[in-house]
Amino acid sequence: DVKVTQSSRYLVKRTGEKVFLECVQDMDHENMFWYRQDPGLGLRLIYFSYDVKMKEKGDIPEGYSVSREKKERFSLILESASTNQTSMYLCASSLQGAGGPIEAFGPGTRLTVT
Amino acid sequence: DQQVKQNSPSLSVQEGRISILNCDYTNSMFDYFLWYKKYPAEGPTFLISISSIKDKNEDGRFTVFLNKSAKHLSLHIVPSQPGDSAVYFCAASRLRGNEKLTFGTGTRLTIIP
Repeated sequence: DVKVTQSSRYLVKRTGEKVFLECVQDMDHENMFWYRQDPGLGLRLIYFSYDVKMKEKGDIPEGYSVSREKKERFSLILESASTNQTSMYLCASSLQGAGGPIEAFGPGTRLTVT
Repeated sequence: DQQVKQNSPSLSVQEGRISILNCDYTNSMFDYFLWYKKYPAEGPTFLISISSIKDKNEDGRFTVFLNKSAKHLSLHIVPSQPGDSAVYFCAASRLRGNEKLTFGTGTRLTIIP
């Protein structure tokens, strides 16, 4: 079974703080993704990576950056957290490319920015 | 611009009956469609997919139907079970060009015992 783990289940941060969300997968998948889930908006892609040190913008990259220094780890960075970044953040990984099925999502990090 | 739409935010179905979840898309270039299921406090799990060369795909109690001319797909669950209560997301992509998945807004399905 593919396992995707996220460093925190719940996080509370203050406006302006730099926030790191960490994600690790254990199945040697090439592709990793960061989504956010908001009520009425579904899942929206923030960034994805198809290889180490490679990254591509998704639909809503503004206010975020990512880092992929190792194949198994994909980090999402909020440079200066704002209240509109309060959301559920989901990391995912897949064998296939961005358009294929995503085999595994992490459990999510519920981030609250106050 | 919501290219994948799930117009019913919620649906309640009696246990044992058929659950039908609907999804509409606007981008005619989409050629691959998926359904995911999500329980609270868990990540989504992949359920079933269909490519545009088919109009039906079945996996156990789950069947996905694709109507390309109407740009509509549906997920049928028969018979519905209490464990099916979850949020269901449809997603679409263009496999040629390896474009990213576009998700719908989700439908919360509640199975009534």
